[in-house]
Amino acid sequence: DAKTTQPTSMDCAEGRAANLPCNHSTISGNEYVYWYRQIHSQGPQYIIHGLKNNETNEMASLIITEDRKSSTLILPHATLRDTAVYYCIVRVSRRDDKIIFGKGTRLHILP
Amino acid sequence: EPEVTQTPSHQVTQMGQEVILRCVPISNHLYFYWYRQILGQKVEFLVSFYNNEISEKSEIFDDQFSVERPDGSNFTLKIRSTKLEDSAMYFCASSERWEQYFGPGTRLTVT
Repeated sequence: DAKTTQPTSMDCAEGRAANLPCNHSTISGNEYVYWYRQIHSQGPQYIIHGLKNNETNEMASLIITEDRKSSTLILPHATLRDTAVYYCIVRVSRRDDKIIFGKGTRLHILP
Repeated sequence: EPEVTQTPSHQVTQMGQEVILRCVPISNHLYFYWYRQILGQKVEFLVSFYNNEISEKSEIFDDQFSVERPDGSNFTLKIRSTKLEDSAMYFCASSERWEQYFGPGTRLTVT
């Protein structure tokens, strides 16, 4: 089973920052936090991952608490195309390691 | 930007028939995966593949399933005798490092 807890759904106004929380209180020292999203039955899309430092790329920012028990994915200026299911995943960074998907957070971007 | 491609996008087959789902991973990737998603359910790991052999497989991946990398570019999933419960979206993924990149999926409908 997934090692993370996420809200079932969230709404965010278009143009605003979307902040998606994730709890992973049992995370181990060698486990990373990954975020993927799935837009309406398309293949999951990698967003970002991190170990303990905050990370930023062209899609999003990842804020991990100091105790690593929770994190927040931030989409800085949400658009309608960001409407998707967002998955927070904890896994070791081993190249052949499977991804275990939970139910994720269904994010609705409102016009 | 390189991407994972899958064919066909939709496959309809009769129960008991064999199907082969095809994937072309990103060219410099060495790790390959199949996942499936039954309508309305979570994305589930099936199998991972590296260096021409299976690295890991799930309980779903029984003797009816097989994978093959027949040449330098294709990666296939074969279901020998399809069942109604095999109806799902099947996603191929590949990775070079730790991020897995998913294809658009093949929708398999078993009638």
